[in-house]
Amino acid sequence: ILNVEQSPQSLHVQEGDSTNFTCSFPSSNFYALHWYRWETAKSPEALFVMTLNGDEKKKGRISATLNTKEGYSYLYIKGSQPEDSATYLCAPSEGTALIFGKGTTLSVSS
Amino acid sequence: GAGVSQSPSNKVTEKGKDVELRCDPISGHTALYWYRQSLGQGLEFLIYFQGNSAPDKSGLPSDRFSAERTGGSVSTLTIQRTQQEDSAVYLCASSLGLAGANEQYFGPGTRLTVT
Repeated sequence: ILNVEQSPQSLHVQEGDSTNFTCSFPSSNFYALHWYRWETAKSPEALFVMTLNGDEKKKGRISATLNTKEGYSYLYIKGSQPEDSATYLCAPSEGTALIFGKGTTLSVSS
Repeated sequence: GAGVSQSPSNKVTEKGKDVELRCDPISGHTALYWYRQSLGQGLEFLIYFQGNSAPDKSGLPSDRFSAERTGGSVSTLTIQRTQQEDSAVYLCASSLGLAGANEQYFGPGTRLTVT
């Protein structure tokens, strides 16, 4: 069973601040890593699916990097906006099921 | 197009009763997953179905939990003799293939409360 750690557990920033979160996972048997955003009263929404060591993905102001050899991924948000407030989940996979971390809850104040 | 739908959206049941939760995945998605989120916990994998293969039931917490997927589409998660610790939000997700490399599309969830 994968042990997935996300840090920080929660974060409060001001509008315009840039921020980043960490996801740590066992590097053995790695197949893919997913990032999801889960807004209150909504369903989790996929941000990125990453498979290769050194992968970098970007969607608007959000980007992610992946290091499979050392077992971590970073999620970056540039110029945070109030609408970025959500819980960000990472989920590594060994091929089939996803094992979700507990998430980082971001709150952005205007 | 239509997303993943789940019903009911909320269910309150008495301890010891059986409940059925339904999931309608996105048409054409071969993989279907069930998760739950208990209060203060992360998303916990329960079971997945992929095409006609035998389901992976490794995440089911007890033999009171079972699930089936009929015709490769709709899935039903059944909890027998519910206990208070079964109270959680139950989420269903589907993907084009196994979620290893395919993003999952989540339904709105069913909030189950066992009194």
